[in-house]
Amino acid sequence: SQTIHQWPATLVQPVGSPLSLECTVEGTSNPNLYWYRQAAGRGLQLLFYSVGIGQISSEVPQNLSASRPQDRQFILSSKKLLLSDSGFYLCAWTTSAGGYEQYFGPGTRLTVT
Amino acid sequence: GESVGLHLPTLSVQEGDNSIINCAYSNSASDYFIWYKQESGKGPQFIIDIRSNMDKRQGQRVTVLLNKTVKHLSLQIAATQPGDSAVYFCAENAGGTSYGKLTFGQGTILTVHP
Repeated sequence: SQTIHQWPATLVQPVGSPLSLECTVEGTSNPNLYWYRQAAGRGLQLLFYSVGIGQISSEVPQNLSASRPQDRQFILSSKKLLLSDSGFYLCAWTTSAGGYEQYFGPGTRLTVT
Repeated sequence: GESVGLHLPTLSVQEGDNSIINCAYSNSASDYFIWYKQESGKGPQFIIDIRSNMDKRQGQRVTVLLNKTVKHLSLQIAATQPGDSAVYFCAENAGGTSYGKLTFGQGTILTVHP
């Protein structure tokens, strides 16, 4: 069966510090991967998606970036965090074979102080 | 797609009642729709999905209805239980070369009172 992991679960970082959030998927090959951000009391905003190693598409301009160094690893980064980067970050995957159902990880709660 | 405002719609029901959660979608080209349940502090969980060539699909205690004419989606939960309390999101996929991307609605908070 497939599982998706995210870490850390929670993170408190000062403004201006770097960020690295990691997501890994097990039990599937060549998944499509997604990063979402969810502000408190709001819906999910798609930040990045990837259809393969090294292939990243950005949905919204911001000071975040994403990378996919391995088939089942997706990383969200920032060089300098802003207060507005606080939120709940969710990674998701779906099969590249045409399925649309996305499976979500447990999320990372980021607080920028 | 993306939520607007800071206050999600809310629905309060008594245990045992049926719940109906509504969602309006925006893209007439969307060919796939999905409902997710999100409990506090957790990632969204799949509930049920439906393709645009259907107008109704049933699962265990849940039914999704799709009205393409008015671009409306609803989730019906039968015999609602306290464990159903969560935020419910609808999402749509435009198909084609959208790489499986989903556009999420703003969500509805369901509270079930014992």
